[in-house]
Amino acid sequence: DIQMTQSPSSLSASVGDRVTISCRASQSISDYLNWYRQKPGKAPNLLIHAASSLQSGVPSRFSGSGSGTDFTLTISSLQPEDFATYYCQQNYSPPYTFGGGTKVEIK
Amino acid sequence: QVQLQESGPGLVKPSETLSLTCNVSGGSTRSYYWSWVRQPPGKGLEWIGYIYYSGSTNYNPSLKSRVTISVDTSRNQFSLTLSSVTAADTAVYYCARHAAFLQTGPFDYWGQGTLVTVSS
Repeated sequence: DIQMTQSPSSLSASVGDRVTISCRASQSISDYLNWYRQKPGKAPNLLIHAASSLQSGVPSRFSGSGSGTDFTLTISSLQPEDFATYYCQQNYSPPYTFGGGTKVEIK
Repeated sequence: QVQLQESGPGLVKPSETLSLTCNVSGGSTRSYYWSWVRQPPGKGLEWIGYIYYSGSTNYNPSLKSRVTISVDTSRNQFSLTLSSVTAADTAVYYCARHAAFLQTGPFDYWGQGTLVTVSS
């Protein structure tokens, strides 16, 4: 199985801050990397697919980069609705695996 | 707008079989891949497996011996069965659609999730 490691596991930030979350794969996955935001009690919501493609309807403050084994999700200006948990996921090969999550909390 | 809705018992006894159904509305189960994903309380996400509308499947090896996913295109739904459950199978279970008709497509639509508790 391909292991996905996210860092940090949690962070505190303020509205308007720039936030960066990292995700590392245990082997090369090309650009088969997706990012999801999950609010408490809700299903995950797709933000970024193919490492850097913004999902339709997702605000442009979200961006993704990387390829191979190292990837980054950036939120350029944190909004109140962005306080949530973020997951990366590889869909390069089954079993599709998720990172452990990064919880973004209010400072 | 595509909508997915999980249904099934919220409580299952240990050693019994968990059965859930995902009803798809606003779109067709044909030509897409469909997955089940679960999340134990307070923990991360685990992919269980997928099915194509043709019936081909792929399961997570960690659950493969206990999982069956099936599809009924005439009813526009797909289902999950997980046998011999234990407390470790307690989780919120989500159904999800793979985008772009690809098995490697990201999950672009999700159900709201249903909590299944395994307890006697």
